[in-house]
Amino acid sequence: SSDLTQDPAVSVALGQTVRITCQGDTLRGFYAAWYQQKPGQAPVLVFFGKDNRPSGIPDRFSASSSGDTASLTITGAQAEDEADYYCSVWESSGWRFVFGSGTKVTVL
Amino acid sequence: QLQLQESGPGLVKPSETLSLTCSVSGGSISGSTNDWEWVRQPPGKGLEWIGSIYYTGSTYYNASLRSRVTISVDTSKNQFSLRLTSVTAADTAVYYCARTHKTMIEVDGKGYNRFDPWGQGTLVTVSS
Repeated sequence: SSDLTQDPAVSVALGQTVRITCQGDTLRGFYAAWYQQKPGQAPVLVFFGKDNRPSGIPDRFSASSSGDTASLTITGAQAEDEADYYCSVWESSGWRFVFGSGTKVTVL
Repeated sequence: QLQLQESGPGLVKPSETLSLTCSVSGGSISGSTNDWEWVRQPPGKGLEWIGSIYYTGSTYYNASLRSRVTISVDTSKNQFSLRLTSVTAADTAVYYCARTHKTMIEVDGKGYNRFDPWGQGTLVTVSS
């Protein structure tokens, strides 16, 4: 079982905004990293830290954090954003990495 | 550009040992700011962290797998490896290797790290 809770699935109309959340106590002391995974492909880092977007990731991807909840927002979702999204964090109390259960984003 | 590539048998018999290697190219595995990770993903399921190794050989493992897992590093070959003993069908998964950066601290005191890049993954099926 995962100590980071994500909604299983969300849908968004093309060009609209969708927010994916990740909840867990560890997020009070650590920022989540976010990964996009398309079918048959390895995960790709799309956001990390307070305000870090890797080179090549569109600026429609942003993230925020408040208390025990981290959020990834896609502003103006595109068809190519349809994928599974995972959050992850280092849990210092357990000396381990933890992944969220994943959110499937469908672009309508 | 750093690249990682997993290799190893795609089929392992129940009760035997799964062995995989991750070859690192485009950079040194001996970098002081990096750890090297194994992550797996059963078919249709989410990601599970297996364990980490630093180039000195220091390791830490997922507690749920610790009794069966060994991760090792060969700096001369720029590779690190995974051994998982006594496998069952539940160990069938795509196995990924990845790099993590040492935990950084933001100005607000909160830490962060990330898995980047990832290997392409290799499917290991446990079946007789």
